[in-house]
Amino acid sequence: QVQLVQSGAEVKKPGASVKVSCKASGDTFTTHYMHWVRQAPGQGLEWMGIIKSSGGSTTYAQKFQGRVTMTRDTSTSTVYMELRSLTSEDTAVYYCATELRDSLYFDFWGQGTLVTVSS
Amino acid sequence: EIVLTQSPDTLSLSPGERATLSCRASQSVSSTSLVWYQQKPGQAPRLLIYGASNRATGIPDRFSGSGSRTDFTLTISRLEPEDFAVYYCQQYGTAPPMYTFGQGTKLEIK
Repeated sequence: QVQLVQSGAEVKKPGASVKVSCKASGDTFTTHYMHWVRQAPGQGLEWMGIIKSSGGSTTYAQKFQGRVTMTRDTSTSTVYMELRSLTSEDTAVYYCATELRDSLYFDFWGQGTLVTVSS
Repeated sequence: EIVLTQSPDTLSLSPGERATLSCRASQSVSSTSLVWYQQKPGQAPRLLIYGASNRATGIPDRFSGSGSRTDFTLTISRLEPEDFAVYYCQQYGTAPPMYTFGQGTKLEIK
């Protein structure tokens, strides 16, 4: 059973950056890719990107390219998502989620991190 | 880019009734990549169905998925009180490579 533990809630001002972490249990990195999905208040789910934890390669949704960076630290089994140039429209709960390699679905999810962007 | 449209937006039913939720794709998608999730308030989504018709581990057999190409369905045979939630479909597309969600169907108690 994979467990994902995310960092705590953040409050940021417009124009700032936020970096959210997601620590995975066990040897998740050897079997799973890691994704980030966000959900604005009262809205649906939006995929942001993937980091293939074995080699660290990334693919970002076009909407976020140039503004997001996903990284990983294999020594601590932690992935990070940094989003820059924040606006109020980035206020959302950010989830990390795992994908069993090439399965095309998200089988485990973190608890979510609320990022609030407000002046 | 493939767009997934779920219907209805809201479905009002009573416990014990049968629920049928639809997910329509703007173009044909591989059944392998069609997935359903359940989300309850304040919780992360939970994987229900993958590959259009395969139940995830621990999912009761009252949940079933079907469909192909552009039309997919999630059926809950007999609603239990804990089934009232929001349901999302999702697919993977390659041009550009991305994972797309439908807008969700809220299943509420009548």
